Amino acid sequence: DQQVKQNSPSLSVQEGRISILNCDYTNSMFDYFLWYKKYPAEGPTFLISISSIKDKNEDGRFTVFLNKSAKHLSLHIVPSQPGDSAVYFCAASYMEYGNKLVFGAGTILRVKS
Amino acid sequence: NAGVTQTPKFQVLKTGQSMTLQCAQDMNHNSMYWYRQDPGMGLRLIYYSASEGTTDKGEVPNGYNVSRLNKREFSLRLESAAPSQTSVYFCASTERLRPYEQYFGPGTRLTVT
Repeated sequence: DQQVKQNSPSLSVQEGRISILNCDYTNSMFDYFLWYKKYPAEGPTFLISISSIKDKNEDGRFTVFLNKSAKHLSLHIVPSQPGDSAVYFCAASYMEYGNKLVFGAGTILRVKS
Repeated sequence: NAGVTQTPKFQVLKTGQSMTLQCAQDMNHNSMYWYRQDPGMGLRLIYYSASEGTTDKGEVPNGYNVSRLNKREFSLRLESAAPSQTSVYFCASTERLRPYEQYFGPGTRLTVT
């Protein structure tokens, strides 16, 4: 069973507008969540994270929101730029799981100029 | 700093052949991981090594073996390759203080015919 789900395989956004990528999880043990970004022919790179004690974390143009009651998190990119076009993976973990991550299937973001 | 390096970048095998994927990191990280990425399935953990001298199975270990040769190197071996092992393989590592922020290598694209 998929514990971390990214239900939108792709998203297309105009440059300068907001991109919202969504992620749902089923395991209530998860207490740490991350977003990774991946360009073609490269490995994923860490983008931003959030602990379950917070509901928002911001880093420049990137903000992650966590709704624990809905088991839902989202990544907002404002304003979107063509260089943001990539695959975005949501990931989750919890302390007893060690340093392992459970990844979602990814969402392809295309930012059109 | 090269970060996480993987060799080879590409490989084509015939069913039944064996090969070893190499991974090395120069960041003095304790934990290392092997993932496979398949379309629509995100990144799935094959094996991981929490520290030098220890290895554990991940989500999809069947058909693979690993060796944590030293703190820097973590290799993945396919003893008898099968077409189902056609995938992109990523190695990753993390430091003790930021255990969830994994640093990934560029990947190895493996095709088994």
